[in-house]
Amino acid sequence: AQKVTQAQTEISVVEKEDVTLDCVYETRDTTYYLFWYKQPPSGELVFLIRRNSFDEQNEISGRYSWNFQKSTSSFNFTITASQVVDSAVYFCALSEGNYGGSQGNLIFGKGTKLSVKP
Amino acid sequence: EAGVTQSPTHLIKTRGQQATLRCSPISGHTSVYWYQQALGLGLQFLLWYDEGEERNRGNFPPRFSGRQFPNYSSELNVNALELEDSALYLCASSFRGSNQPQHFGDGTRLSIL
Repeated sequence: AQKVTQAQTEISVVEKEDVTLDCVYETRDTTYYLFWYKQPPSGELVFLIRRNSFDEQNEISGRYSWNFQKSTSSFNFTITASQVVDSAVYFCALSEGNYGGSQGNLIFGKGTKLSVKP
Repeated sequence: EAGVTQSPTHLIKTRGQQATLRCSPISGHTSVYWYQQALGLGLQFLLWYDEGEERNRGNFPPRFSGRQFPNYSSELNVNALELEDSALYLCASSFRGSNQPQHFGDGTRLSIL
């Protein structure tokens, strides 16, 4: 069955620390897509990144980086030199592609609440 | 480019009433999704519409329903409201395809008294 697990419920760091948010997924599809979203206190979900199951290259975007490892079914997210503005709930999500066709929905983890203190 | 817009921002109802939530997708997007974010339950998928048709629904009772209009906007209807329906309802839109990122609106906060 498809599932996304974010084992860290809450993380608190001090500004400028590096922090890694863990995401482990389960799927029986060979084609699937992984996403990270940010939900600041204001409530809207902001799309950060998409990864497909055939592309295991790590990606870096400014202070953000993502490590996708199919062998461990993980898609971890690292924030380097964290800032107060990074405080938010971060969600990892899975979309399945080829088993019985797309179901449309994203399967979300429970989210990790990150608090960055000055 | 305008993002996904939802209305109203807040909605207060009493048990047994009916609620209607509205969503306008990003221009060009044909798929609209509805999610419920209730306290402690995370984001749960409700409904997916594409090209005016309901394509999939999550594990919610039939009193949760909706539709998509020819202009791709959508509304979510919740009948016979119950206290546990209190939640943030998020609408998202995308181009069709499981590889397409869904872009979310700010949500409608539904409170049941």
